[in-house]
Parts: sequence; C-alpha cells; structure tokens
Amino acid sequence: QVTLKESGPVLVKPTQTLTVTCTFSGFSLTRLGESVGWVRQPPGRAPEWLALIDGDDDRLYSESLRTRLTISKDTSRNQVVLAMTKMDPTDTGMYFCVRFHSGGYIVHWGQGTQVTVTA
Amino acid sequence: EVVLTQSPGTLSLSPGARATLSCRASQILSSSELAWYQQKPGQAPRVLIYDASTRASGVPARFSGSGFGTDFSLTISRLEPEDFAVYYCQQYGALFTFGPGTKVEMK
Repeated sequence: QVTLKESGPVLVKPTQTLTVTCTFSGFSLTRLGESVGWVRQPPGRAPEWLALIDGDDDRLYSESLRTRLTISKDTSRNQVVLAMTKMDPTDTGMYFCVRFHSGGYIVHWGQGTQVTVTA
Repeated sequence: EVVLTQSPGTLSLSPGARATLSCRASQILSSSELAWYQQKPGQAPRVLIYDASTRASGVPARFSGSGFGTDFSLTISRLEPEDFAVYYCQQYGALFTFGPGTKVEMK
C-alpha cells in the first residue's frame, strides 16, 4: 500500500523559505520510472505542479517558479524535501506530495499540508 | 507552457443526467498525454482517466474519456450523487499543467 504524508510549518512569514517534507512508503524512489513531486493548490483554485524528482535523481521544476524551488530526496529515509524561497502571501495554499506513474500522470496523493504566508 | 482551458466553468445537472466536460490544450498532445481528476471538498484529487481515454483502476464505467490532439472530453453517462465535484484535466506531454476546473453541481 502506497502512502505519502506531508509535514512542515503551518505559518510562514513573507520573504522566508518554506521547507516541506514528504515521507512515503510502499515503493522505492531508487527504481527507474519512479518519481515523486509536489503540487500546490491555492484556496478555491486549480492545482499547480511545482517540482519532481525521480529514481535517477533527475529534477524538473515549474518554469515560472524554478528560481525559487529546490527538490531533494533521502532514499534511506524515504523522504522528499521541497524548499521554496522568498515566500509571499500569494503562495498560501495546500501543498500536496504526489507520486507519478511512469507515464506522467499522478497516481497517488498525500493528504496535503496547509501553508499560510502572513506577517 | 501548455495552457489548458476547461468548459464550462460550472455544469448544473440532475442525478441521472449525462455530463460532458471539455478540455482544450494550447499545443498538440501528440501521445494523448492527458488525465482527468475528480476532487471533492477537503480531499485530494484522484485520477479518473489517463492517456485521454483509459479508466484508472476502480473507476466506474460511467466515466469515459475521449479526444486527441488539442481537444479532449470527459463524459459521465449517468450522474450519481457522489459524482458532484470539481473535475480537472492535466497534461503531461510537456512538463505538467492543470486546467482551471469544471464544477459539476446538483441542479
């Protein structure tokens, strides 16, 4: 059974760096074809893909946010970490950890972690 | 960036009715790299359809997807009470983008 669980701060101040961690089970991120990423969703709006890391340690980033994002993994702990710099109130929303099928669509979602950016 | 446009924004229908949702891509998705997700309040989205027309595991047969190139659709043949939700399309042909969503609400 695949599970993904996000953890991180509920409140972040503007200009700070957000760090969220995904702890997963039921698969290994060392295998070819496996990839884990992050998707965020502002309140009442559509999801937005942020970043992805795969079993080869290749990384992909949203073009509009790439300068602010860093994704990494710790395979020994089954964790994927996303750092987002220069947080702004417009970055408020639910941050989901997701697992991609090798074909590219999202097969598993975590429950999400709510992040609010406020002074 | 591939931009996805969904229509209509809201669909007001009664249980038992047929629902047809549209998703248009700004670029051709040459291998039909398009998925549909359903999201209910307070829940994460869940995949219904991938590769434009393949039903995901456990998805009822009343959900079907079609289309190719830039024009895709999701059809729910007969709406059940649990189908009232927001539906998003997502492309994975060039990185990943989501459409703005279609809300299917009870009339």
